[in-house]
Amino acid sequence: DQQVKQNSPSLSVQEGRISILNCDYTNSMFDYFLWYKKYPAEGPTFLISISSIKDKNEDGRFTVFLNKSAKHLSLHIVPSQPGDSAVYFCAASSNTGNQFYFGTGTSLTVIP
Amino acid sequence: DGGITQSPKYLFRKEGQNVTLSCEQNLNHDAMYWYRQDPGQGLRLIYYSQIVNDFQKGDIAEGYSVSREKKESFPLTVTSAQKNPTAFYLCASSTSQNRGSDYGYTFGSGTRLTVV
Repeated sequence: DQQVKQNSPSLSVQEGRISILNCDYTNSMFDYFLWYKKYPAEGPTFLISISSIKDKNEDGRFTVFLNKSAKHLSLHIVPSQPGDSAVYFCAASSNTGNQFYFGTGTSLTVIP
Repeated sequence: DGGITQSPKYLFRKEGQNVTLSCEQNLNHDAMYWYRQDPGQGLRLIYYSQIVNDFQKGDIAEGYSVSREKKESFPLTVTSAQKNPTAFYLCASSTSQNRGSDYGYTFGSGTRLTVV
């Protein structure tokens, strides 16, 4: 059973606008979350993280929001750039867990 | 520079043959992982290892085997028992205990395995 879900397989956004990628999780024990970016035929690269003691973390154009009560997190990219076009995975882990659980990914296309 | 290296990048195998994918890291990470990516399915965990000489099955371990004789190395063997081995394989490593600012996975660049 998928513990981390990304319900939008794809998203298209105009350059300069905001991209919002969503992620839902089912396990209330998850307390640490990551976003990864992946280009075709390459390994994912770390983008941004957030722990459950926060509800927001910002790094340049990237902001992650965490809503623990809704078991939902989102990644905001502002402004979106063509180089942001990639597949984005969210991942979650718990303090007692041994691994991260990954969503199925959202393919973002930023249109110039 | 520290990193995690997977080789080869592309691999072709005949049906019925075993093949071993290499994964080496010089990050001094304790934990290492193997994931498989199929189109539309995200990353699925095959095996992981938190310390040398110990490893655990992930969600889709059937048809795969691993070893962890050295901290730096975690090779994955795709055996002939794996019914659908064509996929993109990713190796990752992490500091398993410390949840500091660098907590999370570092991934290799992947190996594309094709069974012909």
